[in-house]
Amino acid sequence: AIQMTQSPSSLSASVGDRVTITCRASQDIRNDLAWYQQKAGKAPKLLIYAASSLQSGVPSRFSGSGSGTDFILTISSLQPEDFATYYCLQDYISWTFGQGTTVDIK
Amino acid sequence: EVQLLESGGGLVQPGGSLRLSCAASGFTFRKYAMTWVRQAPGKGLEWISGISGSEGRTYYADSVKGRFTISRDNSKNTLYLQMNSLRAEDTAVYYCAKSVAGMDAFDIWGQGTMVTVSS
Repeated sequence: AIQMTQSPSSLSASVGDRVTITCRASQDIRNDLAWYQQKAGKAPKLLIYAASSLQSGVPSRFSGSGSGTDFILTISSLQPEDFATYYCLQDYISWTFGQGTTVDIK
Repeated sequence: EVQLLESGGGLVQPGGSLRLSCAASGFTFRKYAMTWVRQAPGKGLEWISGISGSEGRTYYADSVKGRFTISRDNSKNTLYLQMNSLRAEDTAVYYCAKSVAGMDAFDIWGQGTMVTVSS
């Protein structure tokens, strides 16, 4: 099974900061990677699919990059509503989530 | 409006069974792969099972293989998860979700249904 490793597991940041979260796959997954945001008690929300395609309705401050085994989610200017937990998901072979990255207020 | 609504969760004893349902509306259900994802209390997301659209090919995580069965009734726009031999570690919120297009990421999620396995 493909393993997904996210880093960091948590980070503290301030409004306006540029934030990057990385996800590494245990094998080449081409660009078959998505990013999700989840807030407490809510279902996950799709942000990015196919590594870099912005889901409709998602603010442009979110962007994704990478291919093969290494991927990055970037939030260009952190907003108050962005404090949440973020997960990557590979859909190259079956599906596997990363362990999550919690973004909290510094 | 595209919507998914799970039902069937509850309290069950270890070794027991439960069937979850996910009613879909607002899209052509048979065209999309569907999946179940769970989240144990305070833990991350875990993909557990998926099923393709019209062909009905099924996929399972090792943690549930042989115990859980995913199925769909395209005439009723409903996804199911039959859960047998339940264990305490199956306690979680269970979400159903719809694929973006083919066997890819999930764009629409239900609100989740809680399954608690305890004596």
